[in-house]
Amino acid sequence: DAGVTQSPTHLIKTRGQQVTLRCSPKSGHDTVSWYQQALGQGPQFIFQYYEEEERQRGNFPDRFSGHQFPNYSSELNVNALLLGDSALYLCASSLTGDFSGNTIYFGEGSWLTVV
Amino acid sequence: GESVGLHLPTLSVQEGDNSIINCAYSNSASDYFIWYKQESGKGPQFIIDIRSNMDKRQGQRVTVLLNKTVKHLSLQIAATQPGDSAVYFCAESRNFNKFYFGSGTKLNVKP
Repeated sequence: DAGVTQSPTHLIKTRGQQVTLRCSPKSGHDTVSWYQQALGQGPQFIFQYYEEEERQRGNFPDRFSGHQFPNYSSELNVNALLLGDSALYLCASSLTGDFSGNTIYFGEGSWLTVV
Repeated sequence: GESVGLHLPTLSVQEGDNSIINCAYSNSASDYFIWYKQESGKGPQFIIDIRSNMDKRQGQRVTVLLNKTVKHLSLQIAATQPGDSAVYFCAESRNFNKFYFGSGTKLNVKP
């Protein structure tokens, strides 16, 4: 049983470009949350998707958008990339209604470098 | 918590000693807390959790203490091992909604 898988693992983009990151949640999970983790800092919540809709959002600009597909997989899109968007982007999957932290699983992340 | 930029607080301990990692959380309405361990190149890994109606919770070699009065959380690791070397984060949430992470502490275990 695969855990949370993210792709790509590493990528380099130029300022102003757009990027799409992908996440497949753990089997049986229906909720996907995205986090941004800058070097040396803790993860920051971007948004959460459930039933193909954005359910919650953190303090991130509209340049950050997402999507969830019927198979529960999710994409994170970032437009008009800035140097400050360079970070590790983490996906966390969970099952809505299951209020246990030990059932939240993180992927290994996608490293984005903006040059 | 506030970011400490590229310089994470570091705790260095000798193998076999006990470790205590501290965290100050920000929202007095937070009712659920998690400690995560993050090894280099990996995503955060769940260690232990605690709800706000508890002061203490124990797991295998780990104990979490919660002091709601001063909004403080601590993680105690007994008989620290080299494999415990990692960055440790506390995370808080209200009603199990979005989680807010602290800035992390790097634990360095010396053999």
